[in-house]
Amino acid sequence: GENVEQHPSTLSVQEGDSAVIKCTYSDSASNYFPWYKQELGKRPQLIIDIRSNVGEKKDQRIAVTLNKTAKHFSLHITETQPEDSAVYFCAASRRIQGAQKLVFGQGTRLTINP
Amino acid sequence: ETGVTQSPTHLIKTRGQQVTLRCSSQSGHNTVSWYQQALGQGPQFIFQYYREEENGRGNFPPRFSGLQFPNYSSELNVNALELDDSALYLCASSLTISSYEQYFGPGTRLTVT
Repeated sequence: GENVEQHPSTLSVQEGDSAVIKCTYSDSASNYFPWYKQELGKRPQLIIDIRSNVGEKKDQRIAVTLNKTAKHFSLHITETQPEDSAVYFCAASRRIQGAQKLVFGQGTRLTINP
Repeated sequence: ETGVTQSPTHLIKTRGQQVTLRCSSQSGHNTVSWYQQALGQGPQFIFQYYREEENGRGNFPPRFSGLQFPNYSSELNVNALELDDSALYLCASSLTISSYEQYFGPGTRLTVT
């Protein structure tokens, strides 16, 4: 089955600097790659996603890149702010029986230092 | 438009007991997925329901079962609770079965003692 590896497990950056989180996946049939942000005690929140027919997607300070050949994708956050501190999860999914089923990475705890 | 809601927020049960968790989908969404999130881990897929039918299951034993109702709300039932079942249980709704995006509820924190 699908396996998703996420690195690093913890990341600490200075406010204003950039943060990069990387994920690799095993199932070459995966076609959808979302990123979720989870603040302490709150629900995972979808922040950006990318489909397999696209190499890069950007939304203000957040961008995601996908390398299908290498089977890895990354989240880039620029000009980090204290409110970016949270746990970030990547996920990969493929369509099985008509439905998209998500397989998550282990998470990255991002801390933004003022 | 209302978001995904879950009840209860927290629950404490004893090993061997049974529990029922509830989820109301986002307005207009007919597909619900359930996930288990152990402390410090990513969510793990339990199963998905579409139009009241189970549509795929993760690596969880049969004592994890579910239901979806005509209004697309859903229940997760766990029988014969074990200590390892202690986790945050999340449901996520999608507009329909072919949709990519899944939107999560706030979760139910289950503690088994």
